[in-house]
Amino acid sequence: QKEVEQDPGPLSVPEGAIVSLNCTYSNSAFQYFMWYRQYSRKGPELLMYTYSSGNKEDGRFTAQVDKSSKYISLFIRDSQPSDSATYLCAIFNAGNMLTFGGGTRLMVKP
Amino acid sequence: EAGVTQFPSHSVIEKGQTVTLRCDPISGHDNLYWYRRVMGKEIKFLLHFVKESKQDESGMPNNRFLAERTGGTYSTLKVQPAELEDSGVYFCASSGLAGGTDTQYFGPGTRLTVL
Repeated sequence: QKEVEQDPGPLSVPEGAIVSLNCTYSNSAFQYFMWYRQYSRKGPELLMYTYSSGNKEDGRFTAQVDKSSKYISLFIRDSQPSDSATYLCAIFNAGNMLTFGGGTRLMVKP
Repeated sequence: EAGVTQFPSHSVIEKGQTVTLRCDPISGHDNLYWYRRVMGKEIKFLLHFVKESKQDESGMPNNRFLAERTGGTYSTLKVQPAELEDSGVYFCASSGLAGGTDTQYFGPGTRLTVL
């Protein structure tokens, strides 16, 4: 079983839609949960991170962690064509390494 | 401030040849990481330097891969001899503080194709 599972998509939505991206993880000891955005031919860029359970909001983006179900989510409100990218969830392990999900490709159509 | 840079951006080599990838971290960052994404798979950790010392090399696939960070600045990752399954995108990342959740800043990656 992979440590972090993520639906690869692609996910296609119209501009202005609310987007929900999700991951599940296997190890209940994980505490730090990250969302990275990766544009084509670029490196991953940190969007947000959360510690333990709960929500964190930053502009149009909300990250949510449900530790009871080992489920992490990223919501994008009022999605824009510029949000079209691959979104990667990641777990920050002890020892500084990041464990990534496979990424979900998002396309926001004008 | 310059971000993490990697060279080359793309390398095409034949099986059995040697390739060296270079990463220049953000100035002042003590931590340097190598990750790799092979086709259809997730990005996976290879190793972690703190300054010039290897802190964790548990993700290195085999002894054909050699990473160095002389002087604690830039790092190189050499693959010798390259095999077909080494094809993928190699990312370098750096961060300032060891431990905790200090952001890892990624470079654009080197796309390696082994024919």
